Amino acid sequence: DAGVTQSPTHLIKTRGQHVTLRCSPISGHKSVSWYQQVLGQGPQFIFQYYEKEERGRGNFPDRFSARQFPNYSSELNVNALLLGDSALYLCASSYGTLTDTQYFGPGTRLTVL
Amino acid sequence: RKEVEQDPGPFNVPEGATVAFNCTYSNSASQSFFWYRQDCRKEPKLLMSVYSSGNEDGRFTAQLNRASQYISLLIRDSKLSDSATYLCVVNRGDDKIIFGKGTRLHILP
Repeated sequence: DAGVTQSPTHLIKTRGQHVTLRCSPISGHKSVSWYQQVLGQGPQFIFQYYEKEERGRGNFPDRFSARQFPNYSSELNVNALLLGDSALYLCASSYGTLTDTQYFGPGTRLTVL
Repeated sequence: RKEVEQDPGPFNVPEGATVAFNCTYSNSASQSFFWYRQDCRKEPKLLMSVYSSGNEDGRFTAQLNRASQYISLLIRDSKLSDSATYLCVVNRGDDKIIFGKGTRLHILP
């Protein structure tokens, strides 16, 4: 069975640009969550989407937005990139809400120059 | 006080030894708890869920102490392959999930 997939694997952007990251959950999973992980830290929760609606949001600015599509795949958008946005962005899927086991994708490594 | 706190380590432990980590959390309404394992430059993977009654999976035992607001992970007969970062995860119950910074474990041959 295919696991969680994310694209692209690596991305280099410059300050002020916009980026879109993509995630496909495990087949049958209805929830997608996004996390930001900077080096040496644990993942920080950004969003959870369940059944195409936002169900939870972490302490991130409005420059961060996301959506979930009818096929349960998801996009994370970040506008007006800052150097501090450089991180590994992880997507996790679960069958239901955040109480369910989350399965992580390999992540997208974003570098902002 | 951070919502979820872990000793960052590193814990340098000889192969075959027993090692234990604790993780404290601040929100008493937190609903569910997990330990994830993360290898260098890889994604986190679920190690085990943590229940009030305690649970065991092979060499791994997890415990939850709601009164003192901490969870623990015990690894017995440690193997070289146990070297990783162990992440404590707390679901606050308000649609937010908090990861600790992780505890680094190095198993020494």
